[in-house]
Amino acid sequence: DTGVSQDPRHKITKRGQNVTFRCDPISEHNRLYWYRQTLGQGPEFLTYFQNEAQLEKSRLLSDRFSAERPKGSFSTLEIQRTEQGDSAMYLCASSPGSRVRYGYTFGSGTRLTVV
Amino acid sequence: DAKTTQPTSMDCAEGRAANLPCNHSTISGNEYVYWYRQIHSQGPQYIIHGLKNNETNEMASLIITEDRKSSTLILPHATLRDTAVYYCIVQGGSEKLVFGKGMKLTVNP
Repeated sequence: DTGVSQDPRHKITKRGQNVTFRCDPISEHNRLYWYRQTLGQGPEFLTYFQNEAQLEKSRLLSDRFSAERPKGSFSTLEIQRTEQGDSAMYLCASSPGSRVRYGYTFGSGTRLTVV
Repeated sequence: DAKTTQPTSMDCAEGRAANLPCNHSTISGNEYVYWYRQIHSQGPQYIIHGLKNNETNEMASLIITEDRKSSTLILPHATLRDTAVYYCIVQGGSEKLVFGKGMKLTVNP
C-alpha cells in the first residue's frame, strides 16, 4: 500500500492551455475526492466519486473542469482553457467507505502554476 | 455544517503536551468533530475524529466537552515533526469536508 499517488507533482502551463492531473487512490478504496487549495487557505471541496459514479460537485467546479473515474480506480481532473486563477494545489483523497467511519487519506497534491 | 473557531497560531515546547482547542458552539447532534493536519507542502493527514465520547489513537487524543460545544486535540509528547497547520472540522451527513484556515502549531526545541 503506497498511499494516494498524484501525478504530476508540479505543472506549469500557459494561460489558455488544457491540463490533466491523475490520481491513483489506495487500492480498494471506493471513494475518491478532489480538493483545491490556494495559498494560505484550507482545502476546498471540488467533487467526489463512489466507485465510477460522480456523486457530488461543488459550484467551484466550473464547466472548464471535468473529473472522471472510468473504472472506479484511478481518476483524472482536467482543466480546459486554464486561467491564472486556477493556480493552486489540487489534492486527491480516498476512503474505504463513509467518511463518518473512516478518515480520508490525501495525496501530496499537484501544484499548478498558470503563467 | 457547523462553523469552528480555532486560534490562529500556537507554540509548544518539544516533549511537552500540545493542547489544541476548537470551539464549535453550533454543532448539531449528528455532526462529528474531525481533526486533520497539514505539514508544509504535503496533503492533509487525518488524525482522529469523534462524536461525543473521548477518543484516543496512536497519534492523539480527542476530548469533547459534555455539551459538545468545544473540543481539544491533545498531542501527548510534541515533537518537531508535529509542526503543522491543524484543522478542526465539524461535519454531518455530507461527504465533503469543509476546511477553515486552521491553526499553525509550532513546536520549538
